[in-house]
Formats: sequence, C-alpha cells, structure tokens
Amino acid sequence: RKEVEQDPGPFNVPEGATVAFNCTYSNSASQSFFWYRQDCRKEPKLLMSVYSSGNEDGRFTAQLNRASQYISLLIRDSKLSDSATYLCVVNTPITPLVFGKGTRLSVIA
Amino acid sequence: DVKVTQSSRYLVKRTGEKVFLECVQDMDHENMFWYRQDPGLGLRLIYFSYDVKMKEKGDIPEGYSVSREKKERFSLILESASTNQTSMYLCASSPIEGEQFFGPGTRLTVL
Repeated sequence: RKEVEQDPGPFNVPEGATVAFNCTYSNSASQSFFWYRQDCRKEPKLLMSVYSSGNEDGRFTAQLNRASQYISLLIRDSKLSDSATYLCVVNTPITPLVFGKGTRLSVIA
Repeated sequence: DVKVTQSSRYLVKRTGEKVFLECVQDMDHENMFWYRQDPGLGLRLIYFSYDVKMKEKGDIPEGYSVSREKKERFSLILESASTNQTSMYLCASSPIEGEQFFGPGTRLTVL
C-alpha cells in the first residue's frame, strides 16, 4: 500500500462550484498533515496545515479523520485561479514529509 | 520571506558528465531536501540532510550524491549523468518541525 494516496483527477468544475478532495495515508503514527498547491511549472507551496479539529481558511476547509486515516480539502465557490494540482502531505515519525502524487483541478469559466 | 534559490532554472548536459545542482536557503533552516518530480510519479525524495555534514538517503538515491558543508547550502551531484536522470529537480528547506519551502526548481535535460 502506498504511503499517501490521492485521486489524480482531473477534476473539471465550473466557477462557483464546491469541490472536495480526499487523501488516505497508511502510517497510523503520522503526526502532521498539510495540503500544498502546485501551479503548472512552478514549485509546490503550502496551502494550509490540517489540524485534528479541522480548520478553515477563507474558502478552503481541511479536515482530518485519524480513525479512518484520511484527510480532506474542500474548496467552496471555486475560482479560475484555483486551477492547480493539490498535494496531500503527511509527516511520519521516522521520515521527512511524504507527498501524494497530487490531484489536478481545473476550474472552468 | 523564506527564500530558497537554485543555481539554474534550466540545464542541458551530456551523458557521462558530472553535474552539480546548488541550493541555498536564507532562513537558517536545519533541514534541507532534494527531490525529483516526473509526470505521473509525483515528488520523489533523493536525499535529505538534518544538519551540516549530515546526509540521509531518500527513496531514490542511486546515481546521486549530496554535500552539505554549510548550513545554508545543499548540493546535489550527479557523478555521471544518464538520460534517465532528465527531470525537474526541486530543493526544499524546513525548520526542525514544520512546512517545507521549495526552490523554483531546475529542469535538467541529459542528452
């Protein structure tokens, strides 16, 4: 089983739509969780950390379910500028951050 | 702002050449990383370092070596470049615990 798994997409959604991505991780000892965003031909950048209680940043909501070992990212009122690849990232006790392969989102006018 | 810089954005080398990719960070981070990113394979960790003169193998260290003589600088070395090392190389740094900050990447082509 891969350490971090994501649906590669692409997710093609109209402007204004709500879209959700899920990510599963295999190591139950994982401690920190993040969502990164990567634009085409650019480096990944931190979008938001994911806290146990769930957290929100504007139109973005991240949630963690430790029992089921998955992380979610919800984007409300999608904008054209949200088009990117979203990487799920997990920190394990003995290795550096483990990156998922990413989920590609295209927001269409 | 954290800044991670890489020596080149684009690089073209020939098979068998020795290649040096340099990475510098200005935030006094302890940890530094080298990844390669290929379509469909995502980010794969090559080597990382938790401190000066320390290095750890990542998932795909074969064909690569690294050097960290100063805290702010982490070099990736391809001793004898091969065509299957054509890729995007990304350097990152982080504090002991926390997010990684990435450089802009070096797109290496080996002919």
